[in-house]
Amino acid sequence: QITLKESGPTLVKPTQTLTLTCTFSGFSLSTSGVGVGWIRQPPGEALEWLAIVYWDDDKRYSPSLRSRLTITKDTSKNQVVLTMTNMNPVDTATYYCVYSWGNWFDPWGQGTLVTVSS
Amino acid sequence: SYELAQPLSVSVALGQTAKITCGGNDIGSKNVHWYQQKPGQAPVVVIYRDYNRPSGIPERFFASNLGSTATLTISGAQAGDEADYYCQVWDSSTGAYVFGTGTKVTVL
Repeated sequence: QITLKESGPTLVKPTQTLTLTCTFSGFSLSTSGVGVGWIRQPPGEALEWLAIVYWDDDKRYSPSLRSRLTITKDTSKNQVVLTMTNMNPVDTATYYCVYSWGNWFDPWGQGTLVTVSS
Repeated sequence: SYELAQPLSVSVALGQTAKITCGGNDIGSKNVHWYQQKPGQAPVVVIYRDYNRPSGIPERFFASNLGSTATLTISGAQAGDEADYYCQVWDSSTGAYVFGTGTKVTVL
């Protein structure tokens, strides 16, 4: 059974850098074709894909947020880390970690709400 | 950048059929995936690769994808189908994933 869980701060100040960790189980990120990504959802709004890292360390980013995002993997720890710089109140959202094999996302983590406020 | 458009809301009478559209340029040439999100929960995939249902998803969920529109159909809608639904594709030109704007389905 594949599970993913997000962890990180629930509150960050404007201009700070957000660091979120996804800890997963039930698969290896060294398996061909596998990816782990991040998706966010502001309150009451739509889903927005952010980034993904694949088994071969290929990384892809949302074109609109590319300059602010970094995604890394630690295969030995079964973790993927997302950093987002220069946080703004509009970045307030629930951030989800997701498993991908075949260009869709399933399953999803439970999500973690991050609020950006001074 | 590639965009996917969905109706903001769809209403359906209990037991009737709901259709949720997802419009995008030549979307028929892409694989479309559909997610259901109930309030306070993470999304769950209900259709992958245009028309495939994961195990555990009822047969009343089915989908098609042709031309510029993909469609998710819920036949015999039940109260438990009330949720937000999102379409999603992978844009090969950018390597980016794209979600639709989302549709709120209400079962009357």
